[in-house]
Amino acid sequence: GENVEQHPSTLSVQEGDSAVIKCTYSDSASNYFPWYKQELGKRPQLIIDIRSNVGEKKDQRIAVTLNKTAKHFSLHITETQPEDSAVYFCAAPEGYKLSFGAGTTVTVRA
Amino acid sequence: NAGVTQTPKFRVLKTGQSMTLLCAQDMNHEYMYWYRQDPGMGLRLIHYSVGEGTTAKGEVPDGYNVSRLKKQNFLLGLESAAPSQTSVYFCASSYVPYNEQFFGPGTRLTVL
Repeated sequence: GENVEQHPSTLSVQEGDSAVIKCTYSDSASNYFPWYKQELGKRPQLIIDIRSNVGEKKDQRIAVTLNKTAKHFSLHITETQPEDSAVYFCAAPEGYKLSFGAGTTVTVRA
Repeated sequence: NAGVTQTPKFRVLKTGQSMTLLCAQDMNHEYMYWYRQDPGMGLRLIHYSVGEGTTAKGEVPDGYNVSRLKKQNFLLGLESAAPSQTSVYFCASSYVPYNEQFFGPGTRLTVL
């Protein structure tokens, strides 16, 4: 089955700096890579996803890059703000389901 | 449009008791999922369903059963609760597998 590894497990950044989270996957046939954000006490919500026919996708201050050769994809958050503090999960497909990474706790320091 | 709802929101059980968690979605989604979330463990899939009347095991199915008698509902049962099942349980649904999963608000379960 799919094995998704996510790093780092925690990330502390100064407000205004950038944050980068990286995930690796094992199944070279995987073709859909979503990122979810979970604020404290809330449900996970999709913030961005990328499919294997593109290498990068941007949405305002967040972007995701995909390297299919190396089997890794990354989430980039620029100009971080306090509301970016949350747990972020990457995922990759496995059959009819998603295999999630263990999560990255991002703390934005004022 | 309520999206995905879960009942109850909180529950405390004693070891050996049973309970059923209800997930309902009003988006006509075929695929539904039950996850548990423990500190530092991310989201682990318990069971899932690819359509009405179907169920399948996920990563951590032991101690749980599920049913999908109606397309909009996905039930998670604990027949004999154990302290190791103390967790936050999330239900999710999606229209197709490789598309956005919509999560419910979660159920916080404590087993004493």
